[in-house]
Amino acid sequence: DGGITQSPKYLFRKEGQNVTLSCEQNLNHDAMYWYRQDPGQGLRLIYYSQIVNDFQKGDIAEGYSVSREKKESFPLTVTSAQKNPTAFYLCASSKLAGNQPQHFGDGTRLSIL
Amino acid sequence: AQRVTQPEKLLSVFKGAPVELKCNYSYSGSPELFWYVQYSRQRLQLLLRHISRESIKGFTADLNKGETSFHLKKPFAQEEDSAMYYCALKGRGYGQNFVFGPGTRLSVLP
Repeated sequence: DGGITQSPKYLFRKEGQNVTLSCEQNLNHDAMYWYRQDPGQGLRLIYYSQIVNDFQKGDIAEGYSVSREKKESFPLTVTSAQKNPTAFYLCASSKLAGNQPQHFGDGTRLSIL
Repeated sequence: AQRVTQPEKLLSVFKGAPVELKCNYSYSGSPELFWYVQYSRQRLQLLLRHISRESIKGFTADLNKGETSFHLKKPFAQEEDSAMYYCALKGRGYGQNFVFGPGTRLSVLP
């Protein structure tokens, strides 16, 4: 689904460093989401946003921050407070109506040096 | 609380055999149910949703409200079906969030 673009594909972080993962969508979706995907644990919701300039914590928000200044963009910052940041991060978007599915990006793999 | 369970982490079947990936959910109301698939080196994508009552790539899934299940089935598995499968739930109504199961890795052996 070319409507959601995540960058970069691979990202390396040094200890104590903040890094920002980009997510852009051109599907005109109101809602955007960030998930963390770890082996055997499925997708865990980090943050989500249903409207510009508003966002909500998901199940594992500690050590992460987001912004939603534009409808198309929902960047995720992994801060130094996140103790175990090595993971695969997925961004998704959807319409808000109940029966509408999510559309996912290709993901960003973050590794700690 | 909303919850989705997929009891099998890994399911291996031989090519041509029937396959059933189990999904159970808990939700106080009538949810929307989805199956997502992630093939190797590809993005997570929607496979099917219960409201559509469709068959995609030979897969079907029936919502059983009595058993709170949404099992994914295919009568004859193919090697290209090997992938990670996630069952997901979304509450009906505007602005509801998704809840994903832990996933089942399907391996179709030749």
